[in-house]
Amino acid sequence: NAGVTQTPKFQVLKTGQSMTLQCAQDMNHEYMSWYRQDPGMGLRLIHYSVGAGITDQGEVPNGYNVSRSTTEDFPLRLLSAAPSQTSVYFCASSNWGVQDTQYFGPGTRLTVL
Amino acid sequence: KNEVEQSPQNLTAQEGEFITINCSYSVGISALHWLQQHPGGGIVSLFMLSSGKKKHGRLIATINIQEKHSSLHITASHPRDSAVYICAVSRGNEKLTFGTGTRLTIIP
Repeated sequence: NAGVTQTPKFQVLKTGQSMTLQCAQDMNHEYMSWYRQDPGMGLRLIHYSVGAGITDQGEVPNGYNVSRSTTEDFPLRLLSAAPSQTSVYFCASSNWGVQDTQYFGPGTRLTVL
Repeated sequence: KNEVEQSPQNLTAQEGEFITINCSYSVGISALHWLQQHPGGGIVSLFMLSSGKKKHGRLIATINIQEKHSSLHITASHPRDSAVYICAVSRGNEKLTFGTGTRLTIIP
């Protein structure tokens, strides 16, 4: 199993550009989530999904969209990138929620100029 | 005050020392996670616990629900244990709240 995969690993955007961070898992996990990690701060939840077709907002959802059309994929869209979105983004998944072992992807380092 | 507080923020120790990292939280929780983040950035789950104690190899995690406190212990520490250790708590089954991490450096 590949586990949780994320692409790209690195990305540089200009302010105002849009892009999609990809996340996929091959463990048939129902729960998937996106976090951002900034220096001096803990990981913060952006959006999460408890199953295909179901998504909800986390702590810092503004400027991001998600969809969950399949169990395997959970892409994160930046609508109009801003320098404040410069961060490392992690995708995670688990069988059925946060009361279960979390599996993290390798992360995407995003810089917005 | 953050919902999840970790101490110390940074810890440097000699190889072989017994290590303790602490996590305190301010509200009732349903589960607590200990995670490890290596310098390369990848995050790995070490433990998930809601009561008592768990052990895996040289790592031991304990939780005291009444005191809202958890500890992660490393016995016979080794340079490969150098990493950031992160505590996270859940209050239901949908969201995790994370501490800011403890950076551990083990000197040979």
